[in-house]
Amino acid sequence: GENVEQHPSTLSVQEGDSAVIKCTYSDSASNYFPWYKQELGKRPQLIIDIRSNVGEKKDQRIAVTLNKTAKHFSLHITETQPEDSAVYFCAALNTGGFKTIFGAGTRLFVKA
Amino acid sequence: KAGVTQTPRYLIKTRGQQVTLSCSPISGHRSVSWYQQTPGQGLQFLFEYFSETQRNKGNFPGRFSGRQFSNSRSEMNVSTLELGDSALYLCASRKAGGISGANVLTFGAGSRLTVL
Repeated sequence: GENVEQHPSTLSVQEGDSAVIKCTYSDSASNYFPWYKQELGKRPQLIIDIRSNVGEKKDQRIAVTLNKTAKHFSLHITETQPEDSAVYFCAALNTGGFKTIFGAGTRLFVKA
Repeated sequence: KAGVTQTPRYLIKTRGQQVTLSCSPISGHRSVSWYQQTPGQGLQFLFEYFSETQRNKGNFPGRFSGRQFSNSRSEMNVSTLELGDSALYLCASRKAGGISGANVLTFGAGSRLTVL
C-alpha cells in the first residue's frame, strides 16, 4: 500500500544552522506534497507544500525540493531559530483520491 | 471564520466500552479526514469522508467506523475499546475538488482518548 518514509526521526541543530528532513513516497500517483509543523501540545499546521509539476519552492527560510523520478522530497530550513523546534511531518496525496499519508515525523531541536 | 471543532476534547473509557467522537469542519469544507496520533507513530490515517461517503480507509480494524452528515460534520466511533486505542484522535477538513487550496488540511485540536 501507500507509504511515506521520513528521516531522521530526531534532529538537533545549533541556532543559525540549517536543517534538512528527507522523505520518500511509494505511490507513483502522488502529486501533492505538503509539510506540517506540530508544536508541543498544538495541532499540525501547514508550513509549505509543493506540487509534482514543480521541482522547488521557497518561502523565506524554508524550502522544499522534489525529485519525482526518485520519489524523494525534502524540507530545508535555513538560519534555524529556537521557535523552529517542533515535530515536522511530510505527507503525500494523490489529489484525485482521498488519502493524505503522513511520514512518522521528525522532532527538531534548535539549541540556542 | 471558525476553525475545525472537535468534541469532546478529553475522555476516559474502560475496555470493552464504545466511544463516539465528533468533528465540525470549517464552513465550506466538504471533506473530513480522521487520524490517530500516538507517540512515535505519527499520524495514522483512519478514513476520509466526502459528500457523506467514505472515500478511503486506512489499515484499522472494523471496530473503527465513521460517518459524515449532509452538513459535512463527521463522527467516528470505536467499539469494544482496547487499551491500545488510547491516543489523540485528530480530524482535519479540506475543501477538496479542483480549486485553489483544496488539498490543505486544517486540523482540529483533537480528542484525547484514554482507555483504562
